[in-house]
Amino acid sequence: GQQVMQIPQYQHVQEGEDFTTYCNSSTTLSNIQWYKQRPGGHPVFLIQLVKSGEVKKQKRLTFQFGEAKKNSSLHITATQTTDVGTYFCAGASTDSWGKLQFGAGTQVVVTP
Amino acid sequence: NAGVTQTPKFRVLKTGQSMTLLCAQDMNHEYMYWYRQDPGMGLRLIHYSVGEGTTAKGEVPDGYNVSRLKKQNFLLGLESAAPSQTSVYFCASSYSTDEQFFGPGTRLTVL
Repeated sequence: GQQVMQIPQYQHVQEGEDFTTYCNSSTTLSNIQWYKQRPGGHPVFLIQLVKSGEVKKQKRLTFQFGEAKKNSSLHITATQTTDVGTYFCAGASTDSWGKLQFGAGTQVVVTP
Repeated sequence: NAGVTQTPKFRVLKTGQSMTLLCAQDMNHEYMYWYRQDPGMGLRLIHYSVGEGTTAKGEVPDGYNVSRLKKQNFLLGLESAAPSQTSVYFCASSYSTDEQFFGPGTRLTVL
């Protein structure tokens, strides 16, 4: 079945640095979504990518969807303490009826 | 507008006991989902529903049952709890196959 792998599992970042988290699917996706979960909180939707090669930006966050629609990345520039949390990618296959396969997440810790 | 709510927030069960987790949404969403979250494993789909009166199995359905008698409610049942079901349970809903809105979660411990 479809599997979504996410790396790294853990990212320790100095405030002001950039970092990237990567997501890879074993199958072609119809879309990929990204969520953020603050410590003790629930996942909150960030963005959805649908088109091959799509790039979307939200302030300091840049999301990319690969040309083959099997991988994605989230790049954060000038990390702030408010970026602390776990970032999940979640892929939907073409016949998924809305079901998402979540990656294990990248836990981000930011030191001032 | 409460969004997605879950009850209870915390629960401790003994092995073999049963319980029902309730999820309610006020956004008139068709799709609803139950996930479990365990350390290092992300969110895994237990069961889902694409409309009132319909349910389907997700990735890890064993030991759980669900019902969607009303569009706004999605119930998750554990008939005979086991320690392996200790987890945080999240309910989510969506209008279609896009953004999912999550509830605050239920932390369940099975002794």
